[in-house]
Amino acid sequence: SQQGEEDPQALSIQEGENATMNCSYKTSINNLQWYRQNSGRGLVHLILIRSNEREKHSGRLRVTLDTSKKSSSLLITASRAADTASYFCATDGDAGKLTFGKGITLSVRP
Amino acid sequence: SQTIHQWPATLVQPVGSPLSLECTVEGTSNPNLYWYRQAAGRGLQLLFYSIGIDQISSEVPQNLSASRPQDRQFILSSKKLLLSDSGFYLCAWSGFGTGYGYTFGSGTRLTV
Repeated sequence: SQQGEEDPQALSIQEGENATMNCSYKTSINNLQWYRQNSGRGLVHLILIRSNEREKHSGRLRVTLDTSKKSSSLLITASRAADTASYFCATDGDAGKLTFGKGITLSVRP
Repeated sequence: SQTIHQWPATLVQPVGSPLSLECTVEGTSNPNLYWYRQAAGRGLQLLFYSIGIDQISSEVPQNLSASRPQDRQFILSSKKLLLSDSGFYLCAWSGFGTGYGYTFGSGTRLTV
């Protein structure tokens, strides 16, 4: 079964706007990770946030984690057309095995 | 630097035929290795993971098997493919233990 559930399923924004994607999960985790997948390609690791961290930044990416609500959000600031992709959250709760959500399709219009 | 190679990129096979997908990792030793399958519009389903040579765990009972004959080689196989085996297969590796991101291969699009 899926551990992470992303929301919304699809998001369409204008270039330059911010994109916010959410992920909820059900059981305790060691860390939560976000990945990007361009169409027909493998997944690329974006950022990892540990269970004892609340916020993390990497370039235009900002991730938050609320373990009390079992939720995380990924913010992409000043979006670009090249950010168009599917985004997945994944939870690491059992000996390094990741469980992925179904993903969010982000479209950034030029 | 570490790299992961997965091949072939696309494969069309008839029902009942065998399957062999190969994945190799370079630049690291004793990686954790994973096979995932992604159905159209769905998330990733973990099929097999391995923490060492000949140490493989199956997550989902199915028509597939995996082997790890060498430390950095992971093979996904089937003796007889079913229509339901169609999908996008992804190999990945990570460091041992928790707290590591995965590095994925470029994937194999299998059509049965």
